[in-house]
Amino acid sequence: DAKTTQPNSMESNEEEPVHLPCNHSTISGTDYIHWYRQLPSQGPEYVIHGLTSNVNNRMASLAIAEDRKSSTLILHRATLRDAAVYYCILRAWRGGYQKVTFGTGTKLQVIP
Amino acid sequence: SAVISQKPSRDICQRGTSLTIQCQVDSQVTMMFWYRQQPGQSLTLIATANQGSEATYESGFVIDKFPISRPNLTFSTLTVSNMSPEDSSIYLCSAGGTGGTMNTEAFFGQGTRLTVV
Repeated sequence: DAKTTQPNSMESNEEEPVHLPCNHSTISGTDYIHWYRQLPSQGPEYVIHGLTSNVNNRMASLAIAEDRKSSTLILHRATLRDAAVYYCILRAWRGGYQKVTFGTGTKLQVIP
Repeated sequence: SAVISQKPSRDICQRGTSLTIQCQVDSQVTMMFWYRQQPGQSLTLIATANQGSEATYESGFVIDKFPISRPNLTFSTLTVSNMSPEDSSIYLCSAGGTGGTMNTEAFFGQGTRLTVV
């Protein structure tokens, strides 16, 4: 099964960009890369997703390596509200049903 | 988008008993998922629940311990059976988006915090 690897924690200064990496070297060709974040005592919240091309939305950007074995979530200007655990997730079809693999997550601290 | 409501939000249960967690979505969804999250840990998928078919369980999880119902496109339940303290965890419901494709965002409930004493 595909797995994702993320650093346990990262720090960023407020108002500065943050690059959160994720390795998924065993990804298959049709697996989608999703990112979610989780605040304390809350369910995960969708951030962004992509397949092959880089993606932008109002929350963040997703840069996907050409070989798709890694990706980077980019928060352009970190705010205190961005402090959360960020999960890199693969969603795939396996044996006729959808499989979801959560990464270990990166706890982002934002320093005022 | 979809809003997911989970009940109960938390419970303290005696070992040997069972607890049924309800998950209600405000729109019809094809795929629903149940996860477990140990304190300070990532989420682990328990099973995928599709309407009209048996749930598909991940390795390490069995139907006798975690029976799941999916009677329609907006509702699912997860039962934690014959509980032991090791079952103390947060249980989360998720809906997979329109058509069940992977090219859509998934939505999560707020979770059910279960403590078994």
